[in-house]
Parts: sequence; structure tokens; C-alpha cells
Amino acid sequence: RKEVEQDPGPFNVPEGATVAFNCTYSNSASQSFFWYRQDCRKEPKLLMSVYSSGNEDGRFTAQLNRASQYISLLIRDSKLSDSATYLCVVSSGGSYIPTFGRGTSLIVHP
Amino acid sequence: DTGVSQNPRHKITKRGQNVTFRCDPISEHNRLYWYRQTLGQGPEFLTYFQNEAQLEKSRLLSDRFSAERPKGSFSTLEIQRTEQGDSAMYLCASERGGGAYEQYFGPGTRLTVT
Repeated sequence: RKEVEQDPGPFNVPEGATVAFNCTYSNSASQSFFWYRQDCRKEPKLLMSVYSSGNEDGRFTAQLNRASQYISLLIRDSKLSDSATYLCVVSSGGSYIPTFGRGTSLIVHP
Repeated sequence: DTGVSQNPRHKITKRGQNVTFRCDPISEHNRLYWYRQTLGQGPEFLTYFQNEAQLEKSRLLSDRFSAERPKGSFSTLEIQRTEQGDSAMYLCASERGGGAYEQYFGPGTRLTVT
């Protein structure tokens, strides 16, 4: 089983739709969680950290479920510019080495 | 622009040649990471530095790979005797450290081994 698993997609959604991605992790000692966004042939960029209490940034909401060992990202009112690959990242408390998922591809169409 | 720069942006080399990449992190960040990314995959950890000390290396990093970070500033990643399987995007990321784990990536160096 991979340490961090994501459905690669692609998720094809119309503008204005709400879409959600999940990411599961295998190490129960994991402490830090992030979502990064990566545009085609560009570097990953931090989208948001994921806190235990969940957090929201505009149209984006991230949640953590420690019991089931997954994090989620919800995007409301999708825009064409949201089209990208969304990478889930997990770090354990004792290690400074983040583990990246393979990413979930999102395509928002008119 | 994240403030992390990498050079060169592209490198085409013949199998068996040595290549060296450079990363300049954000100046106040004391951690620097190297990753390799291939198409359809997330970045895979290769190695990281805390200041000038190389603290961890992935088992993916064969003895043909070496990295340095003299004086805790810029870093270099060298691949000796390149193989076609080394073709990938090599990404550098900068992290402030001290409990902050957000990473800022450079634009990467795309290596093609022919």
C-alpha cells in the first residue's frame, strides 16, 4: 500500500460545480498535511495547509479525518482557472520528509 | 515566482555524461530539499539539507547522485554517468524550518538523457 494515495482522475466538471478530492495516508503518526496545486509543466505551489479543525480559504475547504486517515479538499463554484493537478502531501511528526501523492487532475470546462 | 531559482531550466545530455544542477533557495530558509518528478507522478523525495548538513537521503538516490550545500546557501545536485532512466524533472524546494513545513518550489530542471 502506498503511503499517500490519490485518485488520479481526471475529474471533469462544468464551471460553477462543486468538486471534492480525497487523499488517504497510511502512517497514523502523520502530523502535517497540505494541498499543493501544480499546473501543467510548472512547479507545485502551496494551496493550503490542513489543520485538525479544518480550514477554509475562499472557495476552498480542507478537512482532516484522523480516524479514517484521510484529508479532503472541496472546491466550490469551480472556475476555469482551477484546472490543475492537486497534490496531497503528508509529513510524519518525527520526520521532515514530506510524502506526495501522485495528484488528482481537475479539468473545469465551460 | 516563489523566490527559489534553479539552473539550468533544461538540460539535454548523452547517456554516460555527468550533469550538475543548481538551486538557490529563499535566503532565510534553512531547509532545502531535492525531488524528482516524472510524468503522472508526484514529486519523489531525494535528499534534504538543514543548513549545510545533509540529513537524509532516499534509497532512490544511487551512488551516482551526490548533493552539496556549502555554507548552507545554494545547493548542487550532480548525477554521474547518466542513464536514460534519470530523465525527469528535478525540483528543489525551500522550507523555513523551525516547525513550519510549507515548501516553496523552484521551477525545476528538466533533464533529458538521450
